Amino acid sequence: GNSVTQMEGPVTLSEEAFLTINCTYTATGYPSLFWYVQYPGEGLQLLLKATKADDKGSNKGFEATYRKETTSFHLEKGSVQVSDSAVYFCALSKRRNTGNQFYFGTGTSLTVIP
Amino acid sequence: GAVVSQHPSRVICKSGTSVKIECRSLDFQATTMFWYRQFPKQSLMLMATSNEGSKATYEQGVEKDKFLINHASLTLSTLTVTSAHPEDSSFYICSASVVGGETQYFGPGTRLLVL
Repeated sequence: GNSVTQMEGPVTLSEEAFLTINCTYTATGYPSLFWYVQYPGEGLQLLLKATKADDKGSNKGFEATYRKETTSFHLEKGSVQVSDSAVYFCALSKRRNTGNQFYFGTGTSLTVIP
Repeated sequence: GAVVSQHPSRVICKSGTSVKIECRSLDFQATTMFWYRQFPKQSLMLMATSNEGSKATYEQGVEKDKFLINHASLTLSTLTVTSAHPEDSSFYICSASVVGGETQYFGPGTRLLVL
């Protein structure tokens, strides 16, 4: 079946530290991969995505590379800011008859302290 | 672009009443909308997939008579929680896909509290 596994949080980092949030997936075929971010009390916002192997998604300093050989899509940022504090969800998308179904990881809470 | 709104953002109701939540795509047409439920500190659980002009497809374990979904137009889907009970209290989030697209764009969510 299809599933996403994320590293458990919470993660606490100092400002300007390096961030890695691990994400691995299990899927048949060739899914698209996404990172979404959820700020407190809000819905999910698309952070970045990659649609095929070796693609790199990037946005706001965050990056993730679609690695088919390791079935991974780890999220990285070189220097985090306090404003990056949020919950990050890794997800994969598979097409089915009723539309693209998303499978989400459990989310990783990040807190960045000044 | 690709903005999705939800209304209301927060609702408190008495047990036994029904609550309607609206999900609108503001600047695009969405043939498919999705309804999720999120429990505190947990991931999103897909409840149903809604295609414009047809009946919604519910995920296993989701009561279709309790969670009524209507997708009357390409920009509006509604979720009605009928005869709400305290265990229905949750954060409900909708998302929408553009025609032929893959990315889902999420609404800001609706927090429901049933007393």
